[in-house]
Amino acid sequence: GDSVTQMEGPVTLSEEAFLTINCTYTATGYPSLFWYVQYPGEGLQLLLKATKADDKGSNKGFEATYRKETTSFHLEKGSVQVSDSAVYFCALVDQGAGFQKLVFGTGTRLLVSP
Amino acid sequence: GAVVSQHPSWVICKSGTSVKIECRSLDFQATTMFWYRQFPKQSLMLMATSNEGSKATYEQGVEKDKFLINHASLTLSTLTVTSAHPEDSSFYICSARDPAGGSYNSPLHFGNGTRLTVT
Repeated sequence: GDSVTQMEGPVTLSEEAFLTINCTYTATGYPSLFWYVQYPGEGLQLLLKATKADDKGSNKGFEATYRKETTSFHLEKGSVQVSDSAVYFCALVDQGAGFQKLVFGTGTRLLVSP
Repeated sequence: GAVVSQHPSWVICKSGTSVKIECRSLDFQATTMFWYRQFPKQSLMLMATSNEGSKATYEQGVEKDKFLINHASLTLSTLTVTSAHPEDSSFYICSARDPAGGSYNSPLHFGNGTRLTVT
């Protein structure tokens, strides 16, 4: 079945450092791809999404490009802030079974220090 | 924007008792809601898909009699953990898709989750 693989964390960075969190996927069809963020003590929030190959999703300085040739959707940010500390989940929409359920990666914890 | 409210945010119960968790869509009608379970340092695992007015669809390995799901209205779905045991302790999260989003590409809105601890 469809699956998402993320790099293991935690990722520890200093403020203003460059961030990359790797995400690759396996899908039989043409999935839509998402990044969700979970701040401490809160639920998941959509960060960005891309619905087709070569699309770039962006929000709050974060970007990710849907790369069909490498089946990847890596998350990047040029300059992280302490407030970006959270757990980031890569996900895809499984178009099978009729309900388009999300398939999540295991999450990557980001820790940003001042 | 669309909001999904989940209640309670945390609950402690004794082994053998039942716990009900509510998930409400506050400003949209959700014909379908999803229930996830999140283990420490692990991903969210879909437990079941809750369908308004009909039976829930459970994922393989999820006990239907243990995790009772009711979706009685377009804005409310409930998950009841029956005869809870310590191994049921986990973080449970519900989500719903705003149909106004137009398609399966519209994002899911998540509740803030319920931390269940069974002693």
